[in-house]
Amino acid sequence: DADVTQTPRNRITKTGKRIMLECSQTKGHDRMYWYRQDPGLGLRLIYYSFDVKDINKGEISDGYSVSRQAQAKFSLSLESAIPNQTALYFCATSDRLAGQETQYFGPGTRLLVL
Amino acid sequence: AQSVTQLGSHVSVSEGALVLLRCNYSSSVPPYLFWYVQYPNQGLQLLLKYTSAATLVKGINGFEAEFKKSETSFHLTKPSAHMSDAAEYFCAVSDTGAGSYQLTFGKGTKLSVIP
Repeated sequence: DADVTQTPRNRITKTGKRIMLECSQTKGHDRMYWYRQDPGLGLRLIYYSFDVKDINKGEISDGYSVSRQAQAKFSLSLESAIPNQTALYFCATSDRLAGQETQYFGPGTRLLVL
Repeated sequence: AQSVTQLGSHVSVSEGALVLLRCNYSSSVPPYLFWYVQYPNQGLQLLLKYTSAATLVKGINGFEAEFKKSETSFHLTKPSAHMSDAAEYFCAVSDTGAGSYQLTFGKGTKLSVIP
């Protein structure tokens, strides 16, 4: 089984709808992240969480919210989806081991907002 | 503040030719540097990382990268390209100073391998 899983893998929704993207990990890592990927822009950080009670905004948090339900689960919500939120979304986890920050990525969720 | 610049959004090489993907970084503290690869319709996979040990880092699938502090570069190379290397490659930098240890990514370089 994959260490970092994301559900759903693909989603089509309409403008104004609320949707939730879910991420689960079995790596036992404390840190979790949400990124979005747009062609030609690379990956941009939306939110990150260093533990269940520590959640922080990233570079592009407007229009998004998150919930860290447990160490292993980190959800991303779009309260009222808009077309420019159409993107590929990645969840990642990391464990700061001996000062080395390596992030491990899930397979991604492809979101289309009509 | 840190940033990453990847020169060339698209690179094409012939099968068997040298692969060179360029990455320059900016960081106010000694950085950790990473290369990730994304195959079509997949997530990102770690290729290799530099964490202040040896400046020449070997990764998976025959790739390697050399950290050059004087040039603020961390270019990715492979002596002989295979068709299976066709993918998008991302360079990333992590701030090792006090703070959040966030990764900042470059915009990516898409590698095409011509038979």
